[in-house]
Amino acid sequence: EMQLLESGGGLVQSGGSLRLSCAASGFTFSSYAMSWVRQAPGKGLEWVSGISFSGGDTYYADSVKGRFTISRDNSKNTLYLQMNSLRGEDTAVYYCAKDWHLAVWGQGTLVTVSS
Amino acid sequence: DVVMTQSPLSLPVTLGQPASISCRSSQSLVYSDGNTYLNWFQQRPGQSPRRLIYKVSNRDSGVPDRFSGSGSGTDFTLKISRVEAEDVGVFYCMQGTHWPLTFGGGTKVEIK
Repeated sequence: EMQLLESGGGLVQSGGSLRLSCAASGFTFSSYAMSWVRQAPGKGLEWVSGISFSGGDTYYADSVKGRFTISRDNSKNTLYLQMNSLRGEDTAVYYCAKDWHLAVWGQGTLVTVSS
Repeated sequence: DVVMTQSPLSLPVTLGQPASISCRSSQSLVYSDGNTYLNWFQQRPGQSPRRLIYKVSNRDSGVPDRFSGSGSGTDFTLKISRVEAEDVGVFYCMQGTHWPLTFGGGTKVEIK
């Protein structure tokens, strides 16, 4: 069974940093692009970032460009999202998802940015 | 960015009756490879989203056949032939043709 398990969320002050991880299992992680999607409390879904299967190509939403960095370690079947210069509007549940078309989702990890 | 517009915002439905959700994009979603990357997701209360439909009309594994997707170009529809209690939640369309990927605002399906 394909599974994604996010971790690393928590409470951080405005301007701070956090690194999220997503551990994948049940599929050949190194063969698939991966994505991060977030959902602010009571709001809809927002695509945040994506990375190609090799890690050679990365994409970002304008709202996080220059502050967030997506990466992956195919030897560890793990996806990462380094988040710097965090703002209140970054408060959300962050989901990792399999491939560009979000075929499988994790359970999410909550990031709360306090002022 | 491609704007995805869903309607209605809220959809009260009687159990066993059909339901239909519209999704319109501000640009054509036909990609250079000929595919149209329009997906539908369901988010039940308190759960993560799950994909129901990919490339307009292809059901994901395990998705009941009462769900169907149709459309082309900029105009798409998700239909539920007979709504069941487990279908309550928010449905989102998403385009995967143009960067950045963008979602519709969501349609909340509830039982009357």
